[in-house]
Amino acid sequence: AQRVTQPEKLLSVFKGAPVELKCNYSYSGSPELFWYVQYSRQRLQLLLRHISRESIKGFTADLNKGETSFHLKKPFAQEEDSAMYYCALSGWTGANSKLTFGKGITLSVRP
Amino acid sequence: ETGVTQSPTHLIKTRGQQVTLRCSSQSGHNTVSWYQQALGQGPQFIFQYYREEENGRGNFPPRFSGLQFPNYSSELNVNALELDDSALYLCASSYDRGQGGELFFGEGSRLTVL
Repeated sequence: AQRVTQPEKLLSVFKGAPVELKCNYSYSGSPELFWYVQYSRQRLQLLLRHISRESIKGFTADLNKGETSFHLKKPFAQEEDSAMYYCALSGWTGANSKLTFGKGITLSVRP
Repeated sequence: ETGVTQSPTHLIKTRGQQVTLRCSSQSGHNTVSWYQQALGQGPQFIFQYYREEENGRGNFPPRFSGLQFPNYSSELNVNALELDDSALYLCASSYDRGQGGELFFGEGSRLTVL
């Protein structure tokens, strides 16, 4: 069974502070992990995927298979980073791809 | 490029009624997935349609059903509505059954069951 756990519901930081949004997963195969973001009054959209190994808007995330984690990090938070963040796991079965989402975390960046 | 559009945006039904939600996929996409998002939860996979056939289903009862049309638009039907069906229903389109995991979401249809 696939499961994604985001242990915190809310993270509030000041502008310029480092950010780490935690994500742990459970999956028996080789997972693909993603972070999706939803800004206020916007639709859910892909932020980054582990397979790309890229930095998007200053955010990075490293897949740690030993710890089954995929934490999202940013060294210096900006006010425009305030949003809802969801960690998601894709279990490709060869027939379809479904995403399993965590419950999400609200990031609030204060000026 | 036209994004994913859903209708209606909001609706209210009573227990036992039936509801149909509609989704137009993004141009060039042949796969539509439906998700249910209850308050305070992440989206939960309902099912996926690929080339007009159901191509995977989550842990939802048969009263949740769907269709995909030749133009790849889709409908989600829910029969015998229950109070717990109150949620935001998200449609997401992708190419080739969502390989790569990037889904393009609509803004959702918020269903309230009284």
